[in-house]
Amino acid sequence: SQQGEEDPQALSIQEGENATMNCSYKTSINNLQWYRQNSGRGLVHLILIRSNEREKHSGRLRVTLDTSKKSSSLLITASRAADTASYFCATDGHGNNRLAFGKGNQVVVIP
Amino acid sequence: DADVTQTPRNRITKTGKRIMLECSQTKGHDRMYWYRQDPGLGLRLIYYSFDVKDINKGEISDGYSVSRQAQAKFSLSLESAIPNQTALYFCATSDSQGIGYTFGSGTRLTVV
Repeated sequence: SQQGEEDPQALSIQEGENATMNCSYKTSINNLQWYRQNSGRGLVHLILIRSNEREKHSGRLRVTLDTSKKSSSLLITASRAADTASYFCATDGHGNNRLAFGKGNQVVVIP
Repeated sequence: DADVTQTPRNRITKTGKRIMLECSQTKGHDRMYWYRQDPGLGLRLIYYSFDVKDINKGEISDGYSVSRQAQAKFSLSLESAIPNQTALYFCATSDSQGIGYTFGSGTRLTVV
């Protein structure tokens, strides 16, 4: 069964604004990963946060993880039109060794 | 060349036909995966392989089979295609830690 489940959002924001999306999961994890998918293309790995980490940054991306609430958020700061995509969280499930993906959040950045 | 190559990119086939989707990777990784993507359902794992001799069913393996011909090659077969197997299929590979999967560009399969 899928472990990562994003809040069912479709965000539409203006270029320059921040975009935040959330993910919840059901079981304990080793790590949680975020991926981006441009329309109809393969997923691209963005960032990984381990279960013993609470926050991680990579460029304009900021990921938080709250293991007590089994939730994560992805923040994209100063959004650009090129950030228009679907964003998926994925969890490995403790001892599972394979990723389960959520349903994805669609983000549209308006120039 | 892409790290993960899937062929064909698009395929239309008839109900009852056998079809094979192929995947090859140049990352040198042992782990390979097949996922299916349907609108509103995200990605679901069909089969995965941690090395050439290790094949495992995922959450939706019924109606599918796989073959791991070499470390770099992992093919997915639909023995008798049915319309509800119409979907976007992705192959992926990862290192032994399962960190940062690398995906192919996908095969869009339509069963009519």
